[in-house]
Amino acid sequence: GAGVSQSPSNKVTEKGKDVELRCDPISGHTALYWYRQSLGQGLEFLIYFQGNSAPDKSGLPSDRFSAERTGGSVSTLTIQRTQQEDSAVYLCASNSGGPDEKLFFGSGTQLSVL
Amino acid sequence: SQKIEQNSEALNIQEGKTATLTCNYTNYSPAYLQWYRQDPGRGPVFLLLIRENEKEKRKERLKVTFDTTLKQSLFHITASQPADSATYLCALGAGGTSYGKLTFGQGTILTVHP
Repeated sequence: GAGVSQSPSNKVTEKGKDVELRCDPISGHTALYWYRQSLGQGLEFLIYFQGNSAPDKSGLPSDRFSAERTGGSVSTLTIQRTQQEDSAVYLCASNSGGPDEKLFFGSGTQLSVL
Repeated sequence: SQKIEQNSEALNIQEGKTATLTCNYTNYSPAYLQWYRQDPGRGPVFLLLIRENEKEKRKERLKVTFDTTLKQSLFHITASQPADSATYLCALGAGGTSYGKLTFGQGTILTVHP
């Protein structure tokens, strides 16, 4: 597509449920990133995929968070046993993976855990 | 620990004036710095990149400076317009194998009044 696509745009869930967030990067982009933006906070890096390399998971806040990228394209971020502190906007970005290259962001998924 | 601070959460200026946004950092030696614009309900959009060996970059009405001694970047919008109203984010990159793994400031909300 023309840009990074994320779905759903909004997700309301109950505490303890699992959620899956989807990201479809720009066609041809080999690098994909997940960030989290909490109210009043800066964007927080979560995970980074580059081609067939092992992902950089150093930003995942707990083992309840996981992500995969199938076929080098679409990515899914999964949060298990959601907690209220998981409420945030989850942003996906992609680029060609070059040094200092700009990120192309999707519009994000607003996750609300009740 | 690494810390990035952007000046005042909100900046209000009159149309036609120059807006100056500040990004200060500590405990960090970035290889480059990027500025993004974020509108409500949207993902950040890249504006400008400046590398550690560059002092100044310009693009149309935008100018960014980078002082690695002061550990500070200034972002200027000249002849500001109401359409420039948005949140502006600075982001630092370490380079090397950390492509795209940016550390973001919390953002400055700019409002340009007609």
